[in-house]
Amino acid sequence: SQQGEEDPQALSIQEGENATMNCSYKTSINNLQWYRQNSGRGLVHLILIRSNEREKHSGRLRVTLDTSKKSSSLLITASRAADTASYFCATDGGGTALIFGKGTTLSVSS
Amino acid sequence: DAGVIQSPRHEVTEMGQEVTLRCKPISGHNSLFWYRQTMMRGLELLIYFNNNVPIDDSGMPEDRFSAKMPNASFSTLKIQPSEPRDSAVYFCASSLDAIGELFFGEGSRLTVL
Repeated sequence: SQQGEEDPQALSIQEGENATMNCSYKTSINNLQWYRQNSGRGLVHLILIRSNEREKHSGRLRVTLDTSKKSSSLLITASRAADTASYFCATDGGGTALIFGKGTTLSVSS
Repeated sequence: DAGVIQSPRHEVTEMGQEVTLRCKPISGHNSLFWYRQTMMRGLELLIYFNNNVPIDDSGMPEDRFSAKMPNASFSTLKIQPSEPRDSAVYFCASSLDAIGELFFGEGSRLTVL
């Protein structure tokens, strides 16, 4: 079953613009994670935010978490063509193994 | 470390044949996961192991699927007999614990004709 759901399903932007992806989930969590998948490759971990954190930064990535709304957002600033990929949120559902959403496909054109 | 290693990368087989997918996790990781990815259903958790013991196999589709982890450095996912609807990319991932950062292999793309 899908725990997290990303929105939008697809996003197309120009290089230099910011990209924002959202994730909603259903049950309480210990942490929420974001992953990236390039076409034909495995998923790569980007960032983990714990349930008691509200915001976290890593390079050009900013993740927010609102546990009252059961939602998270991933912001990629100053996008590059190399950021073209699918992005997934994953939640642990309160202690089980990670469950992934269906992802947002980001296309960054130069 | 070489990361999570999966084999084969691609497998094409005919309906009814047995398929075995293999995974070598990162040394020192205690948890191992098998996921399946399709366009329709996204990334589904099939089963995960902790310290070589299956913890949750509720995602295994049916009895045709089985997974083993005989030791800390090797796991297999077997489908017998295979069906066209099993066509998907199967990922193995490992981590230090069940809810920590996952390290994924490059996947095994299975096509069942």
